[in-house]
Amino acid sequence: DGGITQSPKYLFRKEGQNVTLSCEQNLNHDAMYWYRQDPGQGLRLIYYSQIVNDFQKGDIAEGYSVSREKKESFPLNVTSAKKNPTAFYLCASTRGGGGWNEKLFFGSGTQLSVL
Amino acid sequence: QKEVEQNSGPLSVPEGAIASLNCTYSDRGSQSFFWYRQYSGKSPELIMSIYSNGDKEDGRFTAQLNKASQYVSLLIRDSQPSDSATYLCAVNGEYGNKLVFGAGTILRVKS
Repeated sequence: DGGITQSPKYLFRKEGQNVTLSCEQNLNHDAMYWYRQDPGQGLRLIYYSQIVNDFQKGDIAEGYSVSREKKESFPLNVTSAKKNPTAFYLCASTRGGGGWNEKLFFGSGTQLSVL
Repeated sequence: QKEVEQNSGPLSVPEGAIASLNCTYSDRGSQSFFWYRQYSGKSPELIMSIYSNGDKEDGRFTAQLNKASQYVSLLIRDSQPSDSATYLCAVNGEYGNKLVFGAGTILRVKS
């Protein structure tokens, strides 16, 4: 079955530690996205990529970094500089070409917590 | 003013009733509007999209859009306990360069 796989489901970060959230898709989608969700708040865009080897900052990119070396993969690095990273992180994809009018396909999410 | 506003709820309705969820947005140039359903601890799933003024029906769901009033709503007929979830409204920006989500409305359907 095609879909988006996020791992791990739960992740714990220690102070001063960088962590990486994995996102892999086999939908052959061009565009991929990372969102952060905090309780009682809407999804906020961290980074997005519309094509391999290219990505743009979203609304809350500070303290995060990404890469898009392969079409299928869009890992998110949460750096030690990021304060209050505890949140539910969602990876999503769209076929691409339709801009923000397209349906988002979401992965199952990663809950990141700070020890 | 938030770009996309929703009443956080919870909205409680009895089983079989109509649930009405509302969303207002600030960008008058917005063109695309989406409703996503999110169960607790799960990822959102798209249930409706609407692009022009009026009503759009899909099964028990009806999306209503009024661009003049900057208002989009979702009606759920014959509500079921399985409809209990958080409903997220999402609106794209005037230039199609961003998608903004509301904070969501919690719906509880009581049997």
